[in-house]
Amino acid sequence: SQQGEEDPQALSIQEGENATMNCSYKTSINNLQWYRQNSGRGLVHLILIRSNEREKHSGRLRVTLDTSKKSSSLLITASRAADTASYFCATDDGSSNTGKLIFGQGTTLQVKP
Amino acid sequence: DSGVTQTPKHLITATGQRVTLRCSPRSGDLSVYWYQQSLDQGLQFLIQYYNGEERAKGNILERFSAQQFPDLHSELNLSSLELGDSALYFCASSLRGANTEAFFGQGTRLTVV
Repeated sequence: SQQGEEDPQALSIQEGENATMNCSYKTSINNLQWYRQNSGRGLVHLILIRSNEREKHSGRLRVTLDTSKKSSSLLITASRAADTASYFCATDDGSSNTGKLIFGQGTTLQVKP
Repeated sequence: DSGVTQTPKHLITATGQRVTLRCSPRSGDLSVYWYQQSLDQGLQFLIQYYNGEERAKGNILERFSAQQFPDLHSELNLSSLELGDSALYFCASSLRGANTEAFFGQGTRLTVV
């Protein structure tokens, strides 16, 4: 079963614009992660944010986490055509004993040159 | 390149058959995970091994089994294959068994005809 929902399901923007994707989840977590998947290929880890963190940055990526609302957002600034991909949020299952990830359905981002 | 190697990349087989998917984790990683990605179910966690022992089990059918060997590579065995088993199967690995990022292989695309 899916832990969360991502919004929007699809996003199309122009190069240079910012892209924001949102993720909601249902149960308590230890951490939330974002992954990128280029068409039909493996997932690439982008960023991990722990439940006691509110914001994290990595290059052009900014992730926020609001545990009271059980939601997270991923902001990609100054987007490039190479950012075109599907983006997934993933949470752990709240256990401290497993690395099991529960993925959302993903947001498909298209960045037009 | 994530450092996780999966073979084969593509597999076409008939219903009722049995196949074995192989995964070599990143050097030094003790944990291996298997995920299934399909259009209707999205990314689903199947099973996790940590240092040779099963750590967590997800939506893995009884027709499927996995193991992690002493050299830490893992195999996923799928038997009595059905058309609905057609999917992308990903292996991922991580250094620790929990609360950590995972590194994904490029996947095995299984087509059951």
